[in-house]
Amino acid sequence: AQSVTQLGSHVSVSEGALVLLRCNYSSSVPPYLFWYVQYPNQGLQLLLKYTSAATLVKGINGFEAEFKKSETSFHLTKPSAHMSDAAEYFCAVSEGNYGGSQGNLIFGKGTKLSVKP
Amino acid sequence: DSGVTQTPKHLITATGQRVTLRCSPRSGDLSVYWYQQSLDQGLQFLIQYYNGEERAKGNILERFSAQQFPDLHSELNLSSLELGDSALYFCASSSGLAGGLYEQFFGPGTRLTVL
Repeated sequence: AQSVTQLGSHVSVSEGALVLLRCNYSSSVPPYLFWYVQYPNQGLQLLLKYTSAATLVKGINGFEAEFKKSETSFHLTKPSAHMSDAAEYFCAVSEGNYGGSQGNLIFGKGTKLSVKP
Repeated sequence: DSGVTQTPKHLITATGQRVTLRCSPRSGDLSVYWYQQSLDQGLQFLIQYYNGEERAKGNILERFSAQQFPDLHSELNLSSLELGDSALYFCASSSGLAGGLYEQFFGPGTRLTVL
């Protein structure tokens, strides 16, 4: 069964500092991986996704993630944090890949990002 | 705005009651997913429908059921409610079926409080 683990339920950075949110996956087949962001009292918004093309994936709002098969990781980074980045971030893996009929997502526990002025 | 609408936004009810949560997918999307977000369990997949047919089931309790109607809107029915059912319920939609290939767009959620 596929799963994702997010290290650190809370991460705090200063404005302008590097953001690094960690995600490790477990999958028996090459996975489709996603990062979603949830702002307070809102739904989830897709930041970026990996679908076995380029290993470095660029997303919205300056975020990017690198797929590392040897480390089974898909960490999310942003070079310079902004106050508006404060939110909860979820890493997810798709249950069924490569044309499978099951498309639901399996989410990590989430990481709350705080940005200090 | 994702284009997915959910009603109601908030729902407060008592234990033992039954409620219905409604979801309208984005125009043209055939797939609808229901997820539950709670403090202790995190975000969990409940059930998926595609063009009116159930396609996948996750950790959905027997007290819960769902359906997708011909106009593609979906309803999640929760019955014999317990305190532990208090959570945020999200609906998501996508245009296709194949896992991972089609982005899922999430609605704003329905916050259910069971007293």
